[in-house]
Amino acid sequence: EVQLVESGGGLVEPGGSLRLSCAASGLTFSNAWMSWVRQAPGKGLEWVGRIKSKIDGGTTDYAAPVKGKFTISRDDSSNTLYLHMNSLKIEDTAVYYCTTGAGDFDNWGQGTLVTVSS
Amino acid sequence: QSALTQPASVSGSPGQSITISCTGTSSDVGSYNLVSWYQQHPGKAPKFMIYEVSKRPSGVSNRFSGSKSGNTASLTISGLQAEDEADYYCCSYASSSPFVFGTGTKVTVL
Repeated sequence: EVQLVESGGGLVEPGGSLRLSCAASGLTFSNAWMSWVRQAPGKGLEWVGRIKSKIDGGTTDYAAPVKGKFTISRDDSSNTLYLHMNSLKIEDTAVYYCTTGAGDFDNWGQGTLVTVSS
Repeated sequence: QSALTQPASVSGSPGQSITISCTGTSSDVGSYNLVSWYQQHPGKAPKFMIYEVSKRPSGVSNRFSGSKSGNTASLTISGLQAEDEADYYCCSYASSSPFVFGTGTKVTVL
């Protein structure tokens, strides 16, 4: 059974930075394409970005609102996905989910809440 | 990339069938058979329900089915049950994004 466990969320001031982690198990992580999806309070789902497996190039793609602010990385030796978030704004407040999949999102973590507020 | 358009709410009585639409453009839904659907109960993570327009992952009830015509994808729930009451989101691969979600639909079982 695939398990994805996010951590690292919390309260951060506008302009601040935060790093989220996603620990994966039950899958061959190095072969997995991984994405981050977020959900603002009371709002819908929003794709944030993805990272391909290293064998498929290891490249990243980002949604327009976070391009240049957020960086996705992976550590295949520890089966961990990261989301590095800089220059955070109030509108980045959301639950951030880690997901697996190339053309869709077949496994989801429980999410971690990021609150950007002064 | 704008969100795909879904009705805000759809309702039905137990046993009935309902259909949720997901309208995009020729740059997303209309060009790719990479439409997926997700069910989300309050306070829970989304659940993967349909992929590649009409395929069901293992373990998903065959009461859920997907289809697509032109720029609009649809999710049909047959034999509506109380446990189907949830929010539903479509998602499509998009040429510019590469993924875009729908606005979400709240399904109410009357």
